[in-house]
Amino acid sequence: GAVVSQHPSRVICKSGTSVKIECRSLDFQATTMFWYRQFPKQSLMLMATSNEGSKATYEQGVEKDKFLINHASLTLSTLTVTSAHPEDSSFYICSALDAKRGEAFFGQGTRLTVV
Amino acid sequence: GDSVTQMEGPVTLSEEAFLTINCTYTATGYPSLFWYVQYPGEGLQLLLKATKADDKGSNKGFEATYRKETTSFHLEKGSVQVSDSAVYFCALEGGGATNKLIFGTGTLLAVQP
Repeated sequence: GAVVSQHPSRVICKSGTSVKIECRSLDFQATTMFWYRQFPKQSLMLMATSNEGSKATYEQGVEKDKFLINHASLTLSTLTVTSAHPEDSSFYICSALDAKRGEAFFGQGTRLTVV
Repeated sequence: GDSVTQMEGPVTLSEEAFLTINCTYTATGYPSLFWYVQYPGEGLQLLLKATKADDKGSNKGFEATYRKETTSFHLEKGSVQVSDSAVYFCALEGGGATNKLIFGTGTLLAVQP
């Protein structure tokens, strides 16, 4: 299957700093990528839909100024958690839509811990 | 809005036991339904899917049938193996052209030798 690489897999940062998470589709082009957040024992919550060359579409309740999404190329989307706080600690997962195969492929996730 | 409800885990089974993980959904229209699996340390992988009522998705011995009348998509396997130990997520693809996936909470399956 297709490969989606998410980096870093784990990151610890101090409160008030910003953290960037990358999501790359390695063997296909993805005009659409998705960012999810997963809380312990809870489902993946869709945060936003990232569209190459245009602004991301955020789900209700997700702060767009806090979770900055950039999708500057057909193989890369980034999520930047700005001014991180301990409540932002979570597991963040990206997926990239392979339109040709009609299937979304997932990254391995990033465990963010804000101290 | 659209939602997915799946049984809570963990589910602990002995090898070769029969597996059922229940999943029901609420949606407007006719969503596509999916089961994803997440093995330890790996990303989510599509296990199987069904796109319309009465379709049966199957893969690696797992099956699920799209039941519109009961709004269900239960995952079954006749004989589980230790290697099936993972977290299983039921999901639906929302209406329209958004390709957005809405997930259930995930069910941890632990298969013991």
